[in-house]
Amino acid sequence: DAGVIQSPRHEVTEMGQEVTLRCKPISGHDYLFWYRQTMMRGLELLIYFNNNVPIDDSGMPEDRFSAKMPNASFSTLKIQPSEPRDSAVYFCASSPTIEGENIQYFGAGTRLSVL
Amino acid sequence: EDQVTQSPEALRLQEGESSSLNCSYTVSGLRGLFWYRQDPGKGPEFLFTLYSAGEEKEKERLKATLTKKESFLHITAPKPEDSATYLCAVRFAGGTSYGKLTFGQGTILTVHP
Repeated sequence: DAGVIQSPRHEVTEMGQEVTLRCKPISGHDYLFWYRQTMMRGLELLIYFNNNVPIDDSGMPEDRFSAKMPNASFSTLKIQPSEPRDSAVYFCASSPTIEGENIQYFGAGTRLSVL
Repeated sequence: EDQVTQSPEALRLQEGESSSLNCSYTVSGLRGLFWYRQDPGKGPEFLFTLYSAGEEKEKERLKATLTKKESFLHITAPKPEDSATYLCAVRFAGGTSYGKLTFGQGTILTVHP
């Protein structure tokens, strides 16, 4: 398997623009996670899905952020409108359901810069 | 509030100089402690999972141990290629938190030749 695939790898945009980040999880994994990583706050969970259904979105910072998972092989994280404080690296991770374990496998991330 | 704290923030070692990284946690119910390695410009890479106090796991020069309140990642005779950020994460028990990991801030390890 190619692992978790994220696109784009880098995104530079201007304040107020809409940004869409994409993720393809590992085939067969039924959990999908979106994280944000910054120097100040470290790695923070934004939202996660189980079988395409959002389970916990308590980490989504505000209404400007939304995430969808229309099918088992694709998810998006959208920011509209974007702000400079959204600049960070966004990671997607997926994991299988194995009794007693929940190992998350991460993609390479999308580095977002909002000018 | 459930918290995960890693120390030190940064650690510089000479090649061959063994040391340990610490991860302490305050949780209402632990369902697993995870160690990840992160190289610059990449996503975290899974290393170990520990589930109960007294458990130990090893991989090459790394050994992870777990007590009721903390975990250690021991690095024996490190090499420059062990340089990375090491992240600790904890999975808590109950409710909708089944899949949720809470990460520490990480320890940046630099091993000089």
